[in-house]
Amino acid sequence: DTGVSQDPRHKITKRGQNVTFRCDPISEHNRLYWYRQTLGQGPEFLTYFQNEAQLEKSRLLSDRFSAERPKGSFSTLEIQRTEQGDSAMYLCACRGTEEGTVTDTQYFGPGTRLTVL
Amino acid sequence: LAKTTQPISMDSYEGQEVNITCSHNNIATNDYITWYQQFPSQGPRFIIQGYKTKVTNEVASLFIPADRKSSTLSLPRVSLSDTAVYYCLVGTRSGAGSYQLTFGKGTKLSVIP
Repeated sequence: DTGVSQDPRHKITKRGQNVTFRCDPISEHNRLYWYRQTLGQGPEFLTYFQNEAQLEKSRLLSDRFSAERPKGSFSTLEIQRTEQGDSAMYLCACRGTEEGTVTDTQYFGPGTRLTVL
Repeated sequence: LAKTTQPISMDSYEGQEVNITCSHNNIATNDYITWYQQFPSQGPRFIIQGYKTKVTNEVASLFIPADRKSSTLSLPRVSLSDTAVYYCLVGTRSGAGSYQLTFGKGTKLSVIP
């Protein structure tokens, strides 16, 4: 257990429906990431928050995707009008402040597996 | 971004030492080398990180030659529970300083009884 929780662990939805996932990071970690992982592939970066500010988005994050991190604590990832191609594992990760280093150790949650029918 | 190349899969018997090599020919001066482990239906887990020479912790050793164009993750005396996908990553820094991780496909290690 890394201390990062995600809810739900599994979500099955029909195409066209909206879904929302939640991530609760390690409380003192101010940096939060969302990744997407499809079968047989490594995780792909989606977006990054530092505290409540969303500082970076990947091109993978289409306009149907939106992420928030109100108050700089938990984060939500919403997908609107889901498509079958959205089926994947959505992973949340967090990282504490390590100023002056170029290393990066991220702590991942167990992920939310989305299946779009 | 430094690209990494590692074997797609490896098999090993229990109790053997496993070495997984990763190539990263265009690694930058400030890049670190990091390995993550991922079990099915779980998120990746940090194993070890290094810059040069050798690093050892309670889980694994990481060997990095002087030119840093490759690295080798060494797992001593593997057990069935070491069956997982192992990812080699080279430090990535975006313009916004997000330190996003760039994963390849990893090496699927299967430990056989």
